[in-house]
This record gives sequence, structure tokens and C-alpha cells, in this order.
Amino acid sequence: EAGVAQSPRYKIIEKRQSVAFWCNPISGHATLYWYQQILGQGPKLLIQFQNNGVVDDSQLPKDRFSAERLKGVDSTLKIQPAKLEDSAVYLCASSPQDWQRDTQYFGPGTRLTVL
Amino acid sequence: AQKITQTQPGMFVQEKEAVTLDCTYDTSDPSYGLFWYKQPSSGEMIFLIYQGSYDQQNATEGRYSLNFQKARKSANLVISASQLGDSAMYFCAMRGGSEKLVFGKGTKLTVNP
Repeated sequence: EAGVAQSPRYKIIEKRQSVAFWCNPISGHATLYWYQQILGQGPKLLIQFQNNGVVDDSQLPKDRFSAERLKGVDSTLKIQPAKLEDSAVYLCASSPQDWQRDTQYFGPGTRLTVL
Repeated sequence: AQKITQTQPGMFVQEKEAVTLDCTYDTSDPSYGLFWYKQPSSGEMIFLIYQGSYDQQNATEGRYSLNFQKARKSANLVISASQLGDSAMYFCAMRGGSEKLVFGKGTKLTVNP
């Protein structure tokens, strides 16, 4: 079974530029998550999709971050314009449903550096 | 609000020995789940083990076991027979009710030969 795929793996941009990340979850997984992991911290949930609907985006900085999950499969996360503090690893995860016991499976992440 | 505390920024263990990584949590939900993930330097979060709050027995998965003490609100990870490949960051996480998954700050484990 293929795991969660993410691209690109690394991205370097200058502040005020825009950037987009792509995620393809495990086949059949209804729930998709985007996390931000700042160096030295644990991941923090940015947004959660159930199929193609948003379940939780309470910690998403909506003035600059946006995300979509068209057709309930793959997803893109966009930052526009980027700030220095957005430098982090962006992790995508998926789970079969949104149940408490459901294990979330993570992709390799995209390491973003904002100069 | 849910909170996870990992008090050990770094731990060292000799190869083939056992090591315990500490995790305490705080929640008002009567039903919750506890997870441990491993993050090697490559960056991917690898699921290790799960414990439900109503599970009667401590969870085990191969060399990993979870020492769950509900009254103390602790969920320590025990790794037996450490291997060099166990060197990584380890994150404790919990999910209560319909809440989001919340992670601790992690513990960096170094296994010495």
C-alpha cells in the first residue's frame, strides 16, 4: 500500500513570495490533515478535511494560508505572501475516518525556508 | 484544553538496553486516545503505538510498550533492546473526544554503540 505522498520535499523562497504544497493521501482515506512543524516543536494542526469538506481550520492563518481538497482526494496548501516565521516543515497526514482511534499516517513533509 | 508534556529534551541509551520516554497529559475528556510517533532525521512521522483510555491492558507493539497509568495521567513509552536505528525524535500525542490531535515537544533519543 502506497503511503502519503508530498511534493516538493524542499522549497526556498523569499518573503512576500507565494508557495504551494501538494499532498496525495493513502487511497481510500477520507480524512486529510495539514500540520505545521516549527523547528524544536511538535506538529500543529492547520486544517483538517473530511472528504472535500473542511472540519477544522481554527489554527489556519487565513489571511495568508489557504487549502483545498478537490474531489476529496489530493490537496494543496498555499501560502501567499510568505513571512519569515512560516519557515517550517509542512506535514500532510491521512486517516481512514475521523475517529478517535484512527491512526494518522504522515507523509515525508515539505521543508520550507523563507529568506 | 488538551495538553501533552514531555519533560526530557534528550535521552541517551546504550545499544541493547531498555529506555523509557516520559509523557504526561491533561484533558477533561473521559474518552481519549494516546499515540507515540517516531521522527527520524528524514522528517517523516512514523506511528509506533496507540493506547485508548478505556483499554484494560497496556499496549504493546514488538519492542515498544506503553506504560499507561491513568490516575497519574502518564503514558510513558518503553523501548526494549535499543537499536542504533532507534535514534530519532519521539513525540507523544493525544486526541480527546472530537478534539484535534495534540503533540508534545518531543524527546530526542540517541542510542550509543
